[in-house]
Amino acid sequence: DQQVKQNSPSLSVQEGRISILNCDYTNSMFDYFLWYKKYPAEGPTFLISISSIKDKNEDGRFTVFLNKSAKHLSLHIVPSQPGDSAVYFCAASGYNNNDMRFGAGTRLTVKP
Amino acid sequence: DTGVSQDPRHKITKRGQNVTFRCDPISEHNRLYWYRQTLGQGPEFLTYFQNEAQLEKSRLLSDRFSAERPKGSFSTLEIQRTEQGDSAMYLCASSSGRIATNEKLFFGSGTQLSVL
Repeated sequence: DQQVKQNSPSLSVQEGRISILNCDYTNSMFDYFLWYKKYPAEGPTFLISISSIKDKNEDGRFTVFLNKSAKHLSLHIVPSQPGDSAVYFCAASGYNNNDMRFGAGTRLTVKP
Repeated sequence: DTGVSQDPRHKITKRGQNVTFRCDPISEHNRLYWYRQTLGQGPEFLTYFQNEAQLEKSRLLSDRFSAERPKGSFSTLEIQRTEQGDSAMYLCASSSGRIATNEKLFFGSGTQLSVL
């Protein structure tokens, strides 16, 4: 059961422009959402998170938006840099579970 | 380096053989997780320890899989009688608190298993 979905397997943007990565979830019990970044041959590293009591969280060039009614979140990267090229995973967890559910990932390529 | 470390990084084995992976979590973290990732998919939860107690197992974890965390420090994941479908990246993660309290996971670099 795929409770966290990232429908775009890849995204390509020009350096300096905005990257928008999207994620949808189906489980209304999820109340904590995270984005992880993964480079080849490395494990995922935490990027940014948001609690369900908020609709926006910002950290430097990275902003995560949460739309609870639509069960949708997005990650904005502004401005995009070539070093941002990686696979980005959306993840979600809820109060009553100990495991974190991940989407399939979106491969972001930022072209110089 | 005080991150999560996994050993080996790569393992090639023949079908039917047993394999064992090791994970050393961040030292002050009492929670340890095993995930599996196949090509084109995100990490899938396998099992979770709080200290030495294995508190949850996914139905993905068949009887051929066993995980231990003696003394609540490092953990091992053993796969018996490996099958080609076991080929995947096995990721270990640790955290200092309960996921439900908005703790993030710290992942190791993973062990890439190839079953021939």
